[in-house]
Amino acid sequence: NAGVTQTPKFRILKIGQSMTLQCTQDMNHNYMYWYRQDPGMGLKLIYYSVGAGITDKGEVPNGYNVSRSTTEDFPLRLELAAPSQTSVYFCASSYSRQPQHFGDGTRLSIL
Amino acid sequence: DQQVKQNSPSLSVQEGRISILNCDYTNSMFDYFLWYKKYPAEGPTFLISISSIKDKNEDGRFTVFLNKSAKHLSLHIVPSQPGDSAVYFCAASGGGYAGNMLTFGGGTRLMVKP
Repeated sequence: NAGVTQTPKFRILKIGQSMTLQCTQDMNHNYMYWYRQDPGMGLKLIYYSVGAGITDKGEVPNGYNVSRSTTEDFPLRLELAAPSQTSVYFCASSYSRQPQHFGDGTRLSIL
Repeated sequence: DQQVKQNSPSLSVQEGRISILNCDYTNSMFDYFLWYKKYPAEGPTFLISISSIKDKNEDGRFTVFLNKSAKHLSLHIVPSQPGDSAVYFCAASGGGYAGNMLTFGGGTRLMVKP
């Protein structure tokens, strides 16, 4: 099993550009999450989903959008990239309150 | 307002000795606590967890202790091995937040010297 797969691994964006970070899981987990990790800090929740068609905001949702049309996929959209969104982004999935499984992250730089 | 804090950014331990990583929290409604381990360029990996109805959980070389009255938990690694060198994150869930949301501490970098 691949687990949680994130693409791309690295990306450089210019200010104002948009992009979608892809996340897919093959464990049939109902819950999926997006976190960001800034240097020297812990992970902060951006958005989460408890099932297909259901999404909700986390702690730091501003500047991001998500959708969950299937159980497997949970893409994260940046519409107008800003330097403050330079970070490492992690996608995770779980069964309800079971421990979350994480992907290896997308390192995003906005210049 | 940091609800989960790891006050030691780094810890250095000799191989074979005990490593103790600490974590404090402020939200008394947290009811489930986890430790994750993270290597560079990889995602966090689940290590061990504890429910608030327990005060200790053990898994091989790893033991987590929970002191609810002090709002404090710790991770003990005995004996420490060089492969344990990584960043360790404490996380908590519950706390009135829906959807299994995890609140993370800032991490402690553990270095185990051969």
